[in-house]
Amino acid sequence: DGGITQSPKYLFRKEGQNVTLSCEQNLNHDAMYWYRQDPGQGLRLIYYSQIVNDFQKGDIAEGYSVSREKKESFPLTVTSAQKNPTAFYLCASSPPGTSFNEQFFGPGTRLTVL
Amino acid sequence: DAKTTQPTSMDCAEGRAANLPCNHSTISGNEYVYWYRQIHSQGPQYIIHGLKNNETNEMASLIITEDRKSSTLILPHATLRDTAVYYCIVRVAETSGSRLTFGEGTQLTVNP
Repeated sequence: DGGITQSPKYLFRKEGQNVTLSCEQNLNHDAMYWYRQDPGQGLRLIYYSQIVNDFQKGDIAEGYSVSREKKESFPLTVTSAQKNPTAFYLCASSPPGTSFNEQFFGPGTRLTVL
Repeated sequence: DAKTTQPTSMDCAEGRAANLPCNHSTISGNEYVYWYRQIHSQGPQYIIHGLKNNETNEMASLIITEDRKSSTLILPHATLRDTAVYYCIVRVAETSGSRLTFGEGTQLTVNP
C-alpha cells in the first residue's frame, strides 16, 4: 500500500538527549514537511523540503534539524536545544505539479521528553 | 495568506447535515479555500477545495459566497466517525512545496 509511515508512534526520551523521528513515503512525492502540534492547537511548520538535498526552515525551526538524502525519506532530529520538545509530530508529503495544496499526512509520532 | 475565522466547536446529530462555517473576509482573487480534518491523534486529511464555484465530492460539499468572504463545508449525513477538528485554510494555488497554515479549527462532535 502506498502511504506515509512514521515510527515509532510513541517515543520517550530523557531531557538533554537528541532524538530522530523517522518519516518514509512510497508515494513518489517530491515535497515533504514536518509539523508540530501541541494540545488543543493547530499545526506549526518546522521544516520542509521540495527536492532531494534541499530543505527550508518553517516557522519554528529552532532546535530542530533535518536531512533529505533520499526522495522517500525526511528524518527530523529534535536536538537538546529545543526548549519544549514534548509534542505530537506530523510528517506530510505532496505530489509534484499539483495545482492545489493537497498534503498527505502520516499517523504522527508522540514525543515525550522526561 | 488570508486569515480565517472558525467557531471553536459545534455539535451535530448523527444522520443530520453538519454545516461548518468559515470567514475569510480578506481573501484575494487568486486564493483558494481548502478544508482538512483531523481525527483525534491522527494526521490531518484533505477534504475539498474551491475557488469561487461550489464544489462537491464523495466526502463533502463546499459552498462559497458570491463575494468569497465566507464559505461553508457541508457533511450531508454526519456519522460518529466524522467527529474531528475541521480546518479551513485559504491559500494561493501552488505546485509542490506549499506551506499550509493550520489554525485551531472547529471541533465537530457528532452525537448519537
